[in-house]
Amino acid sequence: NAGVTQTPKFQVLKTGQSMTLQCAQDMNHNSMYWYRQDPGMGLRLIYYSASEGTTDKGEVPNGYNVSRLNKREFSLRLESAAPSQTSVYFCASNRDRDGYTFGSGTRLTVV
Amino acid sequence: AQKITQTQPGMFVQEKEAVTLDCTYDTSDPSYGLFWYKQPSSGEMIFLIYQGSYDQQNATEGRYSLNFQKARKSANLVISASQLGDSAMYFCAMREGNTGGFKTIFGAGTRLFVKA
Repeated sequence: NAGVTQTPKFQVLKTGQSMTLQCAQDMNHNSMYWYRQDPGMGLRLIYYSASEGTTDKGEVPNGYNVSRLNKREFSLRLESAAPSQTSVYFCASNRDRDGYTFGSGTRLTVV
Repeated sequence: AQKITQTQPGMFVQEKEAVTLDCTYDTSDPSYGLFWYKQPSSGEMIFLIYQGSYDQQNATEGRYSLNFQKARKSANLVISASQLGDSAMYFCAMREGNTGGFKTIFGAGTRLFVKA
């Protein structure tokens, strides 16, 4: 079982460039999430999708957009990358009240 | 507003001994869930254990147990018989309510070092 697959694993962007982080799950989960992890701050929720066709802002949504393409896929887009968006990004999914299954993460550096 | 606090930035434990990682939370919602996740140095996040706010008994999963004290709003993780492979970052997390996307907030984490 693949679980949650994130691509790419590493990315370096120049300030102002755009990119999309891809996430797909094969567990038929309804809910999907995007978090960022910064040193000393745990994980902070960027956006989430409770079900196919719905998305909502989390704690730190500024500078990001998301698309729930279908039940399997939930992408995160940075329209104009900034150095403050240098972070490790995790996609996660879950079913109902279960714990999350996380992807392996994307390490993004914006220079 | 919901909040998770982990006051121990780092902890040391001798191999084969038990260790308790502290977690306190704050919420006004009577229905919530508490989680612990492990993040090894390789970076992946691994779900360990779950406790629901209405659960009468403390959750256990193998060597992991959750010491749930509702009145004190604490949800400490106890790892018994520590192993070298337990060295990792541990995150306490809380999901508030039963609706929406079950979004979860995380504490800042505790780094555990297991000594041989």
